[in-house]
Amino acid sequence: QSALTQPASVSGSPGQSITISCTGTSGDVGAYDYVSWYQLHPGKAPKLMIYWVTNRPSGVPDRFSASKSGNTASLTISGLQTEDEADYYCSSYTTSGTVVFGGGTKLTVL
Amino acid sequence: QVQLQQSGPGLVKPSQTLSLTCAISGDSVSSTSAGWNWIRQSPSRGLEWLGRTYYRSKWYIEYAVSVRSRITINPDTSKNQFSLQLNSVTPEDTALYYCGRDLGAAVDYWGQGTLVTVSS
Repeated sequence: QSALTQPASVSGSPGQSITISCTGTSGDVGAYDYVSWYQLHPGKAPKLMIYWVTNRPSGVPDRFSASKSGNTASLTISGLQTEDEADYYCSSYTTSGTVVFGGGTKLTVL
Repeated sequence: QVQLQQSGPGLVKPSQTLSLTCAISGDSVSSTSAGWNWIRQSPSRGLEWLGRTYYRSKWYIEYAVSVRSRITINPDTSKNQFSLQLNSVTPEDTALYYCGRDLGAAVDYWGQGTLVTVSS
């Protein structure tokens, strides 16, 4: 199972919006609505930001939104804040019954 | 509140077996809605899903293809925990290992992480 494809890095200024893409195949992202997004800050456990393509867990700001079209999922962060600077990973359930992560995207808030 | 407490050695010699345990509180390893995962993080590979176990009238265990020949995940209902064994480790298995609970393939609770170094 190959990793999902994410851009290595994205950047934006405070207050701006950015979008991170996550491209898979018809065997993972395109097959189910079981796409998740995680935020990783150094020294901390990953934090679930989005589950089942578009849903935010309690406590996640509504600045975080997500969608999916075909084999590509996207995470959008609007009104960027400095604390959003982190690594972001997507994941998807697969038709093989496994889970696959993306390669990760480093978000820099300039 | 779900809590996952990991335990196990932080140093393993090459060719030996990495063993970690994840103790669950606030939920049950036998839950019919949750799955119990092992995931690792390294600078070279990012996040890598290793496998999971879950109970749906019977036990299921699924493994990532990349480690399928070397990995064992076992639930322990008597202690409400689950374990990871990874055989024949090499320095490439050096990573921060996490256990996690998933609901519908989204991991919402994570253990504290265990840094495992493979070195002689």
